[in-house]
Amino acid sequence: GQSLEQPSEVTAVEGAIVQINCTYQTSGFYGLSWYQQHDGGAPTFLSYNALDGLEETGRFSSFLSRSDSYGYLLLQELQMKDSASYFCAEPGQNFVFGPGTRLSVLP
Amino acid sequence: DAGVTQSPTHLIKTRGQQVTLRCSPKSGHDTVSWYQQALGQGPQFIFQYYEEEERQRGNFPDRFSGHQFPNYSSELNVNALLLGDSALYLCASRWGTYGDTQYFGPGTRLTVL
Repeated sequence: GQSLEQPSEVTAVEGAIVQINCTYQTSGFYGLSWYQQHDGGAPTFLSYNALDGLEETGRFSSFLSRSDSYGYLLLQELQMKDSASYFCAEPGQNFVFGPGTRLSVLP
Repeated sequence: DAGVTQSPTHLIKTRGQQVTLRCSPKSGHDTVSWYQQALGQGPQFIFQYYEEEERQRGNFPDRFSGHQFPNYSSELNVNALLLGDSALYLCASRWGTYGDTQYFGPGTRLTVL
C-alpha cells in the first residue's frame, strides 16, 4: 500500500518562509511531486523530486530524502496568493495524493 | 494548446440515478486518470485508462466504470448514485502510464440529492 502524511494546516505571514512536510510509506517509490490547489480550482503542478536533494523553482523549493521517507515543500517570500492547499503525491501508476496542507497567509 | 477539459462543470442528480462525466486530455497525452475529491480532502484515485483499457484501479466499487476512446478522451460513469458520491471529480492526463507530472482539468462538481 501507499500512504502519505502531511500537516493539516499551516499559517504564516506575508514575506515569511514556510515549510510543508510530507512523510510517506510506499512500495515501488518513484519520487515525490507537489501540487497547489486554490479553493474551487484544480490541482496544479509545482515540482517533482526523483532523486534526493533540493529542487528550486523560483520562490518554491522541494526536498526529498529517500532514506528518511521524507520530503518538504519550502515557500519563500510568501504572498497572499499563496494561500491554498498543498498536496504531496507519489507519481506511480496510481498517483497517490496526501491529505493536503491548507496554508493561510496573513497580512 | 488546449489543456485538459471536462464537462459538465456542475451536475445535480438524485439518489439512484446514473451519471456520465467527460474528459478530453491535454494535446499529446495518451493516459487519463480519474479522481474523486471530497471537500477538504486530497484527490482519491479512481482508475487510469491507457490504450483504451483500464490499467489501474483504486478502492472504488464497480458502480464506477469508465471508458477511453481512440482519440484518448475518456468518460467516467457512476451508477446507482449515493449521497456520498457528491464530490469534485477530477480528470488528469499525462504521457504514458508513469510520469512525474499530471495536468488536471477544472473538474466536475457532482451533487447528489
